[in-house]
Order: sequence, then structure tokens, then C-alpha cells
Amino acid sequence: DAMVIQNPRYQVTQFGKPVTLSCSQTLNHNVMYWYQQKSSQAPKLLFHYYDKDFNNEADTPDNFQSRRPNTSFCFLDIRSPGLGDAAMYLCATSRGKNSGGHNEQFFGPGTRLTVL
Amino acid sequence: KQEVTQIPAALSVPEGENLVLNCSFTDSAIYNLQWFRQDPGKGLTSLLLIQSSQREQTSGRLNASLDKSSGRSTLYIAASQPGDSATYLCAVMGGSEKLVFGKGTKLTVNP
Repeated sequence: DAMVIQNPRYQVTQFGKPVTLSCSQTLNHNVMYWYQQKSSQAPKLLFHYYDKDFNNEADTPDNFQSRRPNTSFCFLDIRSPGLGDAAMYLCATSRGKNSGGHNEQFFGPGTRLTVL
Repeated sequence: KQEVTQIPAALSVPEGENLVLNCSFTDSAIYNLQWFRQDPGKGLTSLLLIQSSQREQTSGRLNASLDKSSGRSTLYIAASQPGDSATYLCAVMGGSEKLVFGKGTKLTVNP
């Protein structure tokens, strides 16, 4: 089945130790998104790629970076995690409006990040 | 700036009851609206998507309606079951590729 895959599902890191979260998709979608979700809150968009075009949200801290080496993969790098970065990180994909269609977003299962 | 509000924040009902979850948004210039389900500690599952030109969508026991002019959407769940217990999120897409989410309604269906 076509899907959005996130690895690892659970990640524990130490304060200040860089960490990379991975997302891959078999949907061949043009757009990939990274969201941060803290307990009992709505998902907060960090950035998204439309193909190779990177779009950063104005309030996303510089500590968060992203890479999209090809259509299928997208990475979230947290350069120096703080205790406040502990959250669920969600990856999502969509075809993109320019492709026509409904532009539905599909989400992966998330990576739960713990910072010690 | 688009804002999405979901009322109530939490809802507890007995099994078998029909129920309605509400979503309102401040900017009616939307491209589409999606309803998602989220189980504790899990990702989001897309339930229904309504294009801006549509009035409603149905999937099984779920029916979502959209009134763009008044900035409202409802998610109707028929004959609720304990397995429907989850948080339901409403999100709208405007001129960009981005979704703006509400904070969700936490639904508990009691056996």
C-alpha cells in the first residue's frame, strides 16, 4: 500500500545532541511537510517542500533544518535539541495544487522525540 | 490570518448516539477542508476532504458538511461506537499549500 513512513517511531536524545528524523513516501507526491505537535495541541507546521522548493515558516527556530534529497525522502534535523523540543514530529505529503485534484494531505505515524 | 476553532473541546457520549462535531474558520476563502482522526500517540488519519465547491462528503457512518459563506463545517457521526473514541481535528487549506488546524475535539464513546 502507498504510504508515508517515519523512522524511527521513538527517538531519545540528549540535550544538545543533534538528531535526524526521517520520512519517506511511496505516494510520489510533490509536497512534503514537517509538523511539530505537543501534547493536547494542534500540529504546528515547521516547513514544507514543493518539489525542491523549501518553504520555512516564519516562527520556525533556526535550530530546525530540513533536507529533501529526492522525491521520496525528507529529513528533519534538530541541531541542538532543547527540552522544549520534546514532541511528536509528523511528516505529511500531498500532490500539490498544481497537480490538480483534491490535494489531500496524508500523514505518517509520527516520531516521538524525548530529550533528556 | 486564518483561525480555526473547534467546539466542544471534549465530548463524552453513550454508545449508539448520533453526534455532531463543529468547526468554524474566520476566512471563507478556502481551497478545501479536511477532517482527521488522531488516536493517542499516533499520527493523523484523514477521514474526509471537502473541496471548496462542495457542500458535503460521506464515508460510511461519517458525514461532513461545509458552509463556506458562514465559515462552518460539521462532522456527523452516526451510531457511535467505542472504537470511535479519538481526537477529531478539522483543518482548512487556503491560498497556500498549508493546512491550518483547529485544536480538536476529544471524543469518548462509552460502552
